[in-house]
Amino acid sequence: KQEVTQIPAALSVPEGENLVLNCSFTDSAIYNLQWFRQDPGKGLTSLLLIQSSQREQTSGRLNASLDKSSGRSTLYIAASQPGDSATYLCAVADTGGFKTIFGAGTRLFVKA
Amino acid sequence: DTEVTQTPKHLVMGMTNKKSLKCEQHMGHRAMYWYKQKAKKPPELMFVYSYEKLSINESVPSRFSPECPNSSLLNLHLHALQPEDSALYLCASSQGGTYGYTFGSGTRLTVV
Repeated sequence: KQEVTQIPAALSVPEGENLVLNCSFTDSAIYNLQWFRQDPGKGLTSLLLIQSSQREQTSGRLNASLDKSSGRSTLYIAASQPGDSATYLCAVADTGGFKTIFGAGTRLFVKA
Repeated sequence: DTEVTQTPKHLVMGMTNKKSLKCEQHMGHRAMYWYKQKAKKPPELMFVYSYEKLSINESVPSRFSPECPNSSLLNLHLHALQPEDSALYLCASSQGGTYGYTFGSGTRLTVV
């Protein structure tokens, strides 16, 4: 059974700092891995999608990497801003692509 | 249109009531999903519809009844809910396979 773990559970950083969020999964047989952002009480916003054959994806200040063999992904946020404060969720899709398992998330607070 | 629309945004219902949640997408996605999310927890998969047919039911109690009338619409019928069913209910859609998910903003359900 696939299990997804995110470390750290919470993170507080000063504005402008670069930071890394970690995601690990137990079964390397995945279709893709997706990083989401969730603001309190809101839905999920997709940030980056990495296919199983890819190593990384970039969007603006965000960069996500995937190492399927070791069951790890990282989300790198450059030059953090207070507006980046949110919960970041990692989700892996099984080989059918219809079942996605979420990690518990990392709650990020960026101080101005 | 690149959105998943959920209505209502908020719902308060008694334990003897019958209500429905609605989800709509016009992206031509072939799979639609219901997730339940409790406070400070990750989303948990409830149901998956693929090509308008129920393909995954994660052992959800029968007081939750999903329906997919057409490829753009997904409903969740609620009956005789318990206070512990209070949560954020999220709908998502995808093309399946290696494609990522698009989530709606959710319905905040309170059972009194």
